[in-house]
Amino acid sequence: GQNIDQPTEMTATEGAIVQINCTYQTSGFNGLFWYQQHAGEAPTFLSYNVLDGLEEKGRFSSFLSRSKGYSYLLLKELQMKDSASYLCAVSDSNYQLIWGAGTKLIIKP
Amino acid sequence: IAGITQAPTSQILAAGRRMTLRCTQDMRHNAMYWYRQDLGLGLRLIHYSNTAGTTGKGEVPDGYSVSRANTDDFPLTLASAVPSQTSVYFCASSDSKGGGTDTQYFGPGTRLTVL
Repeated sequence: GQNIDQPTEMTATEGAIVQINCTYQTSGFNGLFWYQQHAGEAPTFLSYNVLDGLEEKGRFSSFLSRSKGYSYLLLKELQMKDSASYLCAVSDSNYQLIWGAGTKLIIKP
Repeated sequence: IAGITQAPTSQILAAGRRMTLRCTQDMRHNAMYWYRQDLGLGLRLIHYSNTAGTTGKGEVPDGYSVSRANTDDFPLTLASAVPSQTSVYFCASSDSKGGGTDTQYFGPGTRLTVL
């Protein structure tokens, strides 16, 4: 079967750095997405990785290792508004997105 | 209209009733999708459409139907609602025929409760 694993919940302090991990087992791989979802709102796109390595975009970076079936999202200089769920999704061999259950990130002052 | 809109925002429905969730996008995207999101589970694909006039089944299609008469609209119909269909429903679109590596953009969601 296809499976995406992420931690259910993480807590971090304002101003700090947090890394959210995602491991996957899918039939085929056509890229990995990270989305942010605030409570009661729609998911919004953060990043996309298809090649191994680190993609940096402001305070957010995303890393991919295809051989290990592993990605992480790194959030720097955390702000209270970063409190949200972070969803990992993999595009499989049929180009359908397989979604993880999401990681709820709680930021404390 | 900017992006994707969904209607209604929320609905309480009696079991056995028929219900259509509406989704409209103004980005001229080829592909559209319907997902349901339940607590503790990832988004699950119900149905999708790669282009106007075509539809396909996702992971959890039973009890749902869709149509894609034009590029902009992609309604989702529950023919006879059951309590297990209580969920938050998201419509999404992407500028590709196969989803693929193209980013999906989401509507605001419809919160449906079936009693």
